[in-house]
Amino acid sequence: NAGVMQNPRHLVRRRGQEARLRCSPMKGHSHVYWYRQLPEEGLKFMVYLQKENIIDESGMPKERFSAEFPKEGPSILRIQQVVRGDSAAYFCASSPGGRSEGSFFGQGTRLTVV
Amino acid sequence: RKEVEQDPGPFNVPEGATVAFNCTYSNSASQSFFWYRQDCRKEPKLLMSVYSSGNEDGRFTAQLNRASQYISLLIRDSKLSDSATYLCVVNKAAGNKLTFGGGTRVLVKP
Repeated sequence: NAGVMQNPRHLVRRRGQEARLRCSPMKGHSHVYWYRQLPEEGLKFMVYLQKENIIDESGMPKERFSAEFPKEGPSILRIQQVVRGDSAAYFCASSPGGRSEGSFFGQGTRLTVV
Repeated sequence: RKEVEQDPGPFNVPEGATVAFNCTYSNSASQSFFWYRQDCRKEPKLLMSVYSSGNEDGRFTAQLNRASQYISLLIRDSKLSDSATYLCVVNKAAGNKLTFGGGTRVLVKP
């Protein structure tokens, strides 16, 4: 039973490019959460999705960031026109139900903007 | 004020010793509490949930004080492999997102 799978593990983008981060939840999990960890800081909630629905996006920056979790395929976190401040580790977590206790985290995607 | 506050440390602990540290949370309506462990540049891993009555898992003991809004973690007989950052995590009432503290770094030395 594979855990939460994120790819790529490392992503380098030039300023102004787009970054696409993918997350496949654990088998049987239909709830996905994205978190961002800036260097030397704690994890910050970004968005909570179920299949085809955004449930809570209160932690998402207002511009350039979007997330989706389609009926088929992984959840995608998309960052348009990346800036240096977007450099961070982005973690995805999944859970079987609507509460995030016991969430399992993927290994993360480390985004570096140069 | 941060929603979940932790002493960043580091706590330098001799192997075999006991170490304890706390975190405080500001939202009195918080309902679920956890300790996660994060190794350098790795994902957070659930260490244990924290219950009002206190709970123990091997060498780890967690306590919750709702009146004072703090959570504690105690590690007995520290091992070198306990070196990590320990994240205090709170789930708000009726919410589905976890709120993380900044972490307490523990270094166990021989």
